[in-house]
Formats: sequence, C-alpha cells, structure tokens
Amino acid sequence: EPEVTQTPSHQVTQMGQEVILRCVPISNHLYFYWYRQILGQKVEFLVSFYNNEISEKSEIFDDQFSVERPDGSNFTLKIRSTKLEDSAMYFCASSETSGGTYNEQFFGPGTRLTVL
Amino acid sequence: SQQGEEDPQALSIQEGENATMNCSYKTSINNLQWYRQNSGRGLVHLILIRSNEREKHSGRLRVTLDTSKKSSSLLITASRAADTASYFCATAPGTGRRALTFGSGTRLQVQP
Repeated sequence: EPEVTQTPSHQVTQMGQEVILRCVPISNHLYFYWYRQILGQKVEFLVSFYNNEISEKSEIFDDQFSVERPDGSNFTLKIRSTKLEDSAMYFCASSETSGGTYNEQFFGPGTRLTVL
Repeated sequence: SQQGEEDPQALSIQEGENATMNCSYKTSINNLQWYRQNSGRGLVHLILIRSNEREKHSGRLRVTLDTSKKSSSLLITASRAADTASYFCATAPGTGRRALTFGSGTRLQVQP
C-alpha cells in the first residue's frame, strides 16, 4: 500500500540553524501539506501546496518557513533560523485531487525536530 | 468548545467492549476525518465522512455525522488491546480550503 515517507525521523539542531525536512508524498497525489504537533498539543496546520505553489497557509507559517517541490517526488519544509519553540513533530501529508472533491489526507510518520 | 473537540478526553475499557468517542465542531465543514495515533508515532487515517453523509462503516469502525448538531461519533466495536491509541477528529472547511483542524483527541486504553 502506498504511503507517505519522511526523513529524517529525528533531527536535532542548534537554535538559529537552518533545517530542511523532507517528504515523499504518495506518487499520484497532487496536494501536499505540512502540519506540526508540539508535544502534548494539537496537530496544527502549517501549509498546503498544489500545482507548484502555496494554496493555503496558517499564521504559524511565517517568513522563516518555506516549502519546495525540488523534483518530481520530494516535498520539503525549510525552517531558516530555528527557534526553541519550533521543537515539534512535523508531519507531511498528501491527498488526491478529483475535481473539486476534498479527499483523505494521508500522513507520514513524522520528523521529530529538537531545537537546542 | 473549539473546532474539532473530542470527548471523552480519556477512555478505558476491557477488550471485547465497544468504545465510543465523540467530536464536536463549530463551523460548517466539507468533511470530517478520524485518525489514530499511537504514542509518539504518525497519524493513521481511519475514515472520512462527507457533510452529506450520515453514517459510514469500515470494518469494526462506525462513524456518524450530525451536521445539525455539528457532531460526529466514532464507534469501535469488539475492541482489542491493539486499538489502544489516541483518536482524533479533523474537520475540513471546504470552499477551497483543505486545511484540517484537529481536536485534542481521546486517549483510548483497551485492557486485555
């Protein structure tokens, strides 16, 4: 069964450093998403991406965040200058598109980001 | 309550019993999705129910949706120890917006 994959599973970085989190969405999906879950808190939406551009973003997704689809398979989230409060589990998700239908979002296993 | 709030927050049952979790939301939705998360792991998609549907089944799972009450329920029948996890509902607003809003989840403990 196709699944979303994410690398690395755990990333430790120093405050102020740049990190890139990588995702490989399900191959026939065209909508991609990033969510995060701070320990003990709700899963929060960050951004959605379709047709090589951001289609929707939350207030969390400020100028220090960016997303990219560098090739036909990868989808990345970059955090330019990490802060302590960026420590969280980051989930990538993808969904099919079929006309205007809103479909299931399938999530990857997550990358646990720890900012020291 | 906030969009996509589940109750109870925690539920402990014996293996073989049924588990019912509820979700309430505030704004109109296109669909509502239920997910399972084992401790510290990823989110596993369980079922999606659209705003024009009232009930869906998938194996031992039964989901209902009452848009007039802005609520949904997830029933797990004949629970197993392996069902121990946190369960979340997530709502999609539609009208061009696909961002899911998650609730705080119900922690289900199934005792063997």
